[in-house]
Amino acid sequence: NAGVTQTPKFQVLKTGQSMTLQCAQDMNHEYMSWYRQDPGMGLRLIHYSVGAGITDQGEVPNGYNVSRSTTEDFPLRLLSAAPSQTSVYFCASSYRAGGREKLFFGSGTQLSVL
Amino acid sequence: AQSVTQPDIHITVSEGASLELRCNYSYGATPYLFWYVQSPGQGLQLLLKYFSGDTLVQGIKGFEAEFKRSQSSFNLRKPSVHWSDAAEYFCAVGANNAGNMLTFGGGTRLMVKP
Repeated sequence: NAGVTQTPKFQVLKTGQSMTLQCAQDMNHEYMSWYRQDPGMGLRLIHYSVGAGITDQGEVPNGYNVSRSTTEDFPLRLLSAAPSQTSVYFCASSYRAGGREKLFFGSGTQLSVL
Repeated sequence: AQSVTQPDIHITVSEGASLELRCNYSYGATPYLFWYVQSPGQGLQLLLKYFSGDTLVQGIKGFEAEFKRSQSSFNLRKPSVHWSDAAEYFCAVGANNAGNMLTFGGGTRLMVKP
């Protein structure tokens, strides 16, 4: 089992560029989510999905789009990158949605926006 | 809305010494509480969780945590720290809703002296 796979591991963008961070899980998990990690602020939820075709906003959704066309994939799109989006991004999944569920994390994408 | 505070940003302990990492939460109902660990360059891994019942919970790698409702705390402990425990530790509280919206603390970075 690969678990949760994120690509790329590192990315440098210029302000205004767009890109998609990929996330795939092979555990047939119902729930998938994106977090960003900034020093001293822990992880903050960007968007999440409780199943294919269903997405919703988290704590810090501005500047990001998501879609969930399959159970396995949950890409995060930056339409026009800004320096404030420089961060480490983590995708996480769990078997079901709900506050009791253990999250499985990918290894992260380090994004720098110049 | 729930919140989590980890008062100590950095902690240094000697190998073999005991460890306690502090976590205070704010949540209106009975919380779902978690401790995750992040090794350098890696995603987060679940150490332990508390939902209900016995307030002292055991986790992996010899860690334990105690839920104290009166103090709104969920401190993580280990009797004897190993060099491999050097990492960043995150406390999180899960809301009792379908969104699985974990709220993380800012993290505590643990350094272990030989």
